[in-house]
Amino acid sequence: AQKVTQAQTEISVVEKEDVTLDCVYETRDTTYYLFWYKQPPSGELVFLIRRNSFDEQNEISGRYSWNFQKSTSSFNFTITASQVVDSAVYFCALSAQSLNNDMRFGAGTRLTVKP
Amino acid sequence: SQTIHQWPATLVQPVGSPLSLECTVEGTSNPNLYWYRQAAGRGLQLLFYSVGIGQISSEVPQNLSASRPQDRQFILSSKKLLLSDSGFYLCAWRDDRVRHYEQYFGPGTRLTVT
Repeated sequence: AQKVTQAQTEISVVEKEDVTLDCVYETRDTTYYLFWYKQPPSGELVFLIRRNSFDEQNEISGRYSWNFQKSTSSFNFTITASQVVDSAVYFCALSAQSLNNDMRFGAGTRLTVKP
Repeated sequence: SQTIHQWPATLVQPVGSPLSLECTVEGTSNPNLYWYRQAAGRGLQLLFYSVGIGQISSEVPQNLSASRPQDRQFILSSKKLLLSDSGFYLCAWRDDRVRHYEQYFGPGTRLTVT
């Protein structure tokens, strides 16, 4: 099966707390790509990061960091020192050859950061 | 740089009326184009995708249809809207030269069927 699971439906934190959004994926492909998108209240999905299956290095971009672990089929996203502007729905997604032109999205995690 | 436009931004239509949503992409050629629907508080459902002019693949059988009359134009239509068609419709594009890379999304159209 080609599947992305975001078990956390909603998370609420207070500003400046660190928060980790979980993403677990399933794929039979050996070459695949993983993504994170942010959907703020305006609705547009904003691309955050792409990771391919051969690159397990963690990535850091400012307050954002991503932890890719093939051993546990996870691609988790951590926001350090969260801010109110981080409030959004975050989607994890998978793309692979067997999915042809499709991108399989998780159900999303709604993050609320309270002041 | 590439940009993607969708219109209208919001739409309120009665049940049984027709629908036409338009999506255009600028700054690229021969993009892969996608239509998604997002019901309130839910995830993304892929409706249609297109790899070229006149080439449409449907992912979910329903009363919607899509067309690609020009390279960078993608249209979502319905002859008769249902209440269940309400939702947030997102158009996306991807560079066809980099298969399986990220898709870029437009601002969306919020459709309410009354």
